[in-house]
Amino acid sequence: QVQLQESGPGLVKPSQTLSLTCTVSGGSIGSGGHYWSWIRQPAGKGPEWIGRILDSGYTNYNPSLRSRVTMSVDTSKNQFSLNMISVTAADTAVYYCAREGIFKSPFDLWGQGILVTVSS
Amino acid sequence: DIVLTQSPGTLSLSPGERATLSCRASQRIISNTLAWYQQKPGQAPRLLISSASSRATGIPDRFSGSGSGTDFTLTISRLEPEDFAVYYCQQYGSAPPNTFGQGTKLEIK
Repeated sequence: QVQLQESGPGLVKPSQTLSLTCTVSGGSIGSGGHYWSWIRQPAGKGPEWIGRILDSGYTNYNPSLRSRVTMSVDTSKNQFSLNMISVTAADTAVYYCAREGIFKSPFDLWGQGILVTVSS
Repeated sequence: DIVLTQSPGTLSLSPGERATLSCRASQRIISNTLAWYQQKPGQAPRLLISSASSRATGIPDRFSGSGSGTDFTLTISRLEPEDFAVYYCQQYGSAPPNTFGQGTKLEIK
């Protein structure tokens, strides 16, 4: 079955760039039919959607984060990535990658999550 | 953006009891595009309900969703020990952005 796995540094210094990758196994990003999303969750709070990308590279971002976020996709590696610039302690959270259907769909598949701490 | 407000913040019940969790939206949710998720400590959220009332694959029938417009409910008919967790609602019809509620913690009394 399709599985998602996040990877990247668990510690990022303030003002630097957070970079994460999600690897999809058991299925192909390039087959279409899904958005591939990033979602984060600070400790003790509800999830916050960051943005999503199609296999074509088309993106949508949360307006609250749009100025600092870029997502990309590499269909040859079956991966998609998140870059967030100018991070602060407020960006400390568990970051999840997730899948949603193309047509007004919930998130039906999630990675296990990766804790990213912003600290000097 | 649509703001989702969940109540209560914490619900204390015993196994075998009935749980009723509420999710209220700041504006009408189109086509009942409302989902419920369960999250246990250290795990990712798991999809329980989509389209306000459709159970996801493998979800027991003790979980049911209802509601429309701005008011939605997740009901667990008879609580099992494994049901004690945090529950989130999410709207996806007026996305982007998708938005989530702040959660209801269901704890053992």
